[in-house]
Amino acid sequence: KAGVTQTPRYLIKTRGQQVTLSCSPISGHRSVSWYQQTPGQGLQFLFEYFSETQRNKGNFPGRFSGRQFSNSRSEMNVSTLELGDSALYLCASSSGSGKLFANTGELFFGEGSRLTVL
Amino acid sequence: DAKTTQPPSMDCAEGRAANLPCNHSTISGNEYVYWYRQIHSQGPQYIIHGLKNNETNEMASLIITEDRKSSTLILPHATLRDTAVYYCIVRSAFHGQNFVFGPGTRLSVLP
Repeated sequence: KAGVTQTPRYLIKTRGQQVTLSCSPISGHRSVSWYQQTPGQGLQFLFEYFSETQRNKGNFPGRFSGRQFSNSRSEMNVSTLELGDSALYLCASSSGSGKLFANTGELFFGEGSRLTVL
Repeated sequence: DAKTTQPPSMDCAEGRAANLPCNHSTISGNEYVYWYRQIHSQGPQYIIHGLKNNETNEMASLIITEDRKSSTLILPHATLRDTAVYYCIVRSAFHGQNFVFGPGTRLSVLP
């Protein structure tokens, strides 16, 4: 089956603009997580959505937001872009079960959206 | 913070087994050990995970010590395409717990 699809793959923005990134999870997966990867900070967790609800959130400012739609597709938005927001933004999906040990929820990542802020 | 400790880099000769260690001395009973790898500029790729028992799949083997405080990922016959950063992650089996990635081990497979 098709993997996780992220669009756009590359984009360039200027400071102060906003950006929206899209993620289509693997069919049947209900959980979508977002990560930011930079050379200095590595892979950092942004947030996770499950059944249209944000279930977990990392330590990022409010300029970073997201949402999930009823078909499990997710978007993340970054407003008032700063130079430091230049990064690879990765989306990951998992099937997600509510039962302990019933599903170990391994993540399947997309190829990422590489954002450059000038 | 990541709950695991890995060496920052390792080399391995092509065709030999690559053994990547990971320490997770504070692991709790309901936490799994996961391994991912990331080839340059691509998204991380799931390799294998385990709870208590050793695990093997088409990509690798995972050996977890009896006290669960450390583990080793084994790539039985490393190829140049296995050159990547390998991440060892400890994560609760409870739904909704996010994966915390540390700096990982940069494995270089040498010809």
